[in-house]
Amino acid sequence: EVVLTQSPGTLSLSPGEGATLSCRASQSVSVNSLAWYQQKPGQAPRLLIYGASRRATGIPDRITGSGSGTDFTLTINGLGPDDFAMYYCQHYISLPRTFGQGTKVEI
Amino acid sequence: EVHLVESGGGLVQPGESLRLSCVASGFNFNYYWLAWVRQAPGKGLEWVASIDQHDRETYYVDSVQGRFILSRDNAVRSVSLQMNDLRADDTATYYCVRDTFGVYDSWGQGTQVTVAS
Repeated sequence: EVVLTQSPGTLSLSPGEGATLSCRASQSVSVNSLAWYQQKPGQAPRLLIYGASRRATGIPDRITGSGSGTDFTLTINGLGPDDFAMYYCQHYISLPRTFGQGTKVEI
Repeated sequence: EVHLVESGGGLVQPGESLRLSCVASGFNFNYYWLAWVRQAPGKGLEWVASIDQHDRETYYVDSVQGRFILSRDNAVRSVSLQMNDLRADDTATYYCVRDTFGVYDSWGQGTQVTVAS
């Protein structure tokens, strides 16, 4: 089983600042089979990034995914009110699919 | 627009059963895998089970293997999760998701399952 470890657990930032979220895999996630999701309180998660760096439909270009192998990063430039949420990474290289424990981006 | 609507959640006692359903619209249902992902209160996300387009292949997380059964009916665009021998640690919000090669690109609003005596 691939274990995903996200850091930091919580990121306290101000609107307009940038956020850098990390996701480290216990083994190589080849073919960049790594996705990122955003979840707001009381809502279902929403896909942001797949293939490590491909934005899902409707995701603005200030949200960027990068990385390969075992180290992946989600970068959000110019935080807006809508960006303060929980973020999860997920791999899909094998079964079981697993998620990281999440990073909370808070004001 | 893709819509996934879950139903069937509720409060049950340990050892009892529950059947969750998910009805889909807005996409060619027959082309896609479907999956269930759950989230325990205040916790992270956990993949539960996936099913292929033709109702031939199903996969489960170890903790539900042998207790949960995933099936689908393409004629009515629905997927069902039969949950047997429920335990307290099955308590969670269960999300129906469209599974595109392992990427969960569309999510339902979730249905709450509570297992308690």
